[in-house]
Amino acid sequence: QQQVKQSPQSLIVQKGGISIINCAYENTAFDYFPWYQQFPGKGPALLIAIRPDVSEKKEGRFTISFNKSAKQFSLHIMDSQPGDSATYFCAASMKQGAQKLVFGQGTRLTINP
Amino acid sequence: DTGVSQNPRHKITKRGQNVTFRCDPISEHNRLYWYRQTLGQGPEFLTYFQNEAQLEKSRLLSDRFSAERPKGSFSTLEIQRTEQGDSAMYLCASSPAWGQEINNEQFFGPGTRLTVL
Repeated sequence: QQQVKQSPQSLIVQKGGISIINCAYENTAFDYFPWYQQFPGKGPALLIAIRPDVSEKKEGRFTISFNKSAKQFSLHIMDSQPGDSATYFCAASMKQGAQKLVFGQGTRLTINP
Repeated sequence: DTGVSQNPRHKITKRGQNVTFRCDPISEHNRLYWYRQTLGQGPEFLTYFQNEAQLEKSRLLSDRFSAERPKGSFSTLEIQRTEQGDSAMYLCASSPAWGQEINNEQFFGPGTRLTVL
C-alpha cells in the first residue's frame, strides 16, 4: 500500500521558473512532512519540513504548501537554478513510535539553462 | 565532517556471500534508522534503534538480515547468503531526541551501494 503518492515523476523547468511538486497522503496520523533532495550517488538531504498546524513554510527559495483537509502538500522552488537539478522526495511520519519516514516515489527535476 | 558516515561506499559481492555495512551516526543522536533504496524509488524503512535497543523491524527485513547497535553508537547491518534482489543502496539516518522531546528530523548518510552478481 503506497501511503504517500508523489507527482509528477519527472519535471523540466526553465531557469528562473517555478518548480512545483505535489504529494498526497492517506494516513491521517502523519504529522510531519519533510522534503528531501538527492543527487546521484548521494544520500537524501533534508530541504524543508512542515507540521500540519501551519499551511505554509518558506525557507529561501523553497516553500511548502500544506492542505490538511485535502491531505496534500507541495514543494515550490522559486527562481529555479540548474544546480537545483536533482531528485526530490516527499515523505511523512507519525509522532508516535519509530517515526519512520514513508517516502513518495520521487520526482526527477531538470532545470534547463 | 560531523555528518552521518557509512562504510563501505560500494560493495560488489557474489550471490551467497555475506556482507556487513557500518553506519556512524551524528554524535549524540540516539536514534538510528536503516533504509533501502532501489533504483528510481524512494527509500524504504528497514529497522530502527533507540540507543542500543532495536525497537522496530520492517517486514522487508528477512531472516537473512540482521542489524546491531551494540553500544548505542555505530550500527552494523549484515546480510547473509546474499541474493541478486538484495542489490540496492542501503542508507543510514540518525535523529536526535532529548528526554521527552522528540525531533522528527532524520539526517542521512551517503549510503552503501550493494551489487550482488
